[in-house]
Amino acid sequence: DTEVTQTPKHLVMGMTNKKSLKCEQHMGHRAMYWYKQKAKKPPELMFVYSYEKLSINESVPSRFSPECPNSSLLNLHLHALQPEDSALYLCASSQTTSGGNTDTQYFGPGTRLTVL
Amino acid sequence: AQTVTQSQPEMSVQEAETVTLSCTYDTSESDYYLFWYKQPPSRQMILVIRQEAYKQQNATENRFSVNFQKAAKSFSLKISDSQLGDAAMYFCAYIGSNYQLIWGAGTKLIIKP
Repeated sequence: DTEVTQTPKHLVMGMTNKKSLKCEQHMGHRAMYWYKQKAKKPPELMFVYSYEKLSINESVPSRFSPECPNSSLLNLHLHALQPEDSALYLCASSQTTSGGNTDTQYFGPGTRLTVL
Repeated sequence: AQTVTQSQPEMSVQEAETVTLSCTYDTSESDYYLFWYKQPPSRQMILVIRQEAYKQQNATENRFSVNFQKAAKSFSLKISDSQLGDAAMYFCAYIGSNYQLIWGAGTKLIIKP
């Protein structure tokens, strides 16, 4: 089972709203990722959690705040977003980040975010 | 730094025929993995096939196979018996020692009925 789930599928928010994106996996993976993807472009890495600790933050603005409550869950808290933040947000997981075969990433279906 | 290049922004193929998508990469590492991901209009990024650099044998998954040429740093994807459901963006990706995926720009595959 290589399923990663994300909720909601679609989200429309104003620039003053606070919302959260959720991601869940039950594959026993210990690494989870947030990506941002613009139309017709490859995903851009935002954050990496390894063993529930933030290991990579790719200079993402503070209006994006990740949280990893446990090894199966990953949240992305959104506050005071800008229209240019509108994109597809993808969550992924992998067994580890230790190199080799276990780094294969499996993706969720994404959340389409629109900021008005 | 590693780079991945997909030189075909768009490809089209007749249903039931074979198509090959190109990917080249640049790295100084000797141990790495290469991937092809498919992203249909439904948006989900789906792993199609994976190749370990230390394996000379080309990976295959049903109708999907790769031609991995390590010396030439080439990693092409062949889709046999193309089906309408194969229509998608296809991304080539590399992962090496720092466990971050390096992506190509993508190739949009159109299947003509």
